[in-house]
Amino acid sequence: DTEVTQTPKHLVMGMTNKKSLKCEQHMGHRAMYWYKQKAKKPPELMFVYSYEKLSINESVPSRFSPECPNSSLLNLHLHALQPEDSALYLCASSRDFLNEQYFGPGTRLTVT
Amino acid sequence: GQQVMQIPQYQHVQEGEDFTTYCNSSTTLSNIQWYKQRPGGHPVFLIQLVKSGEVKKQKRLTFQFGEAKKNSSLHITATQTTDVGTYFCAREGTNAGKSTFGDGTTLTVKP
Repeated sequence: DTEVTQTPKHLVMGMTNKKSLKCEQHMGHRAMYWYKQKAKKPPELMFVYSYEKLSINESVPSRFSPECPNSSLLNLHLHALQPEDSALYLCASSRDFLNEQYFGPGTRLTVT
Repeated sequence: GQQVMQIPQYQHVQEGEDFTTYCNSSTTLSNIQWYKQRPGGHPVFLIQLVKSGEVKKQKRLTFQFGEAKKNSSLHITATQTTDVGTYFCAREGTNAGKSTFGDGTTLTVKP
């Protein structure tokens, strides 16, 4: 199984809402990532987890809160987002650092 | 710094023509990865290059890593409509796990 799954596929939320994005992989990968991708732009790294511990936070605003409940799951909790946070949110995993990353299909988020 | 510059930004070709995208860094790369993202899709890993001067082939795709490990290229021979998409190179920074993607080259193929 070389699949990374993400739910939901689409999400529309207001600026006062609280929602969560979910990501799951069963490849035994020890590194998991959250990226944000705007239209016609490359993926932009947000967070990296290694062995279930947060290892990189790319100065992401606190309205984005990551969580890694176990080695297979990665969540991104959203609260009080702004319209400019509308984007495709991609989860990825890799066996370890310096290895290829497997991306999920992404969650297309719209903040109204 | 840790960025990779990718050119061209866009490439329009007639089906059957060749295509090349280039990735350049001002600093030595530990490795370089290439990904393809179809319109409306997500990035899909193509290849990783590690060794100086490395050349790898996947059917019509040829990947090269420069001798100085500061540049890389992806060449597609005889493009097909299925090659349409955006091709990204990505580097891992000195901070392990921190991947930086180039801006990508978007390929369109006219049948």
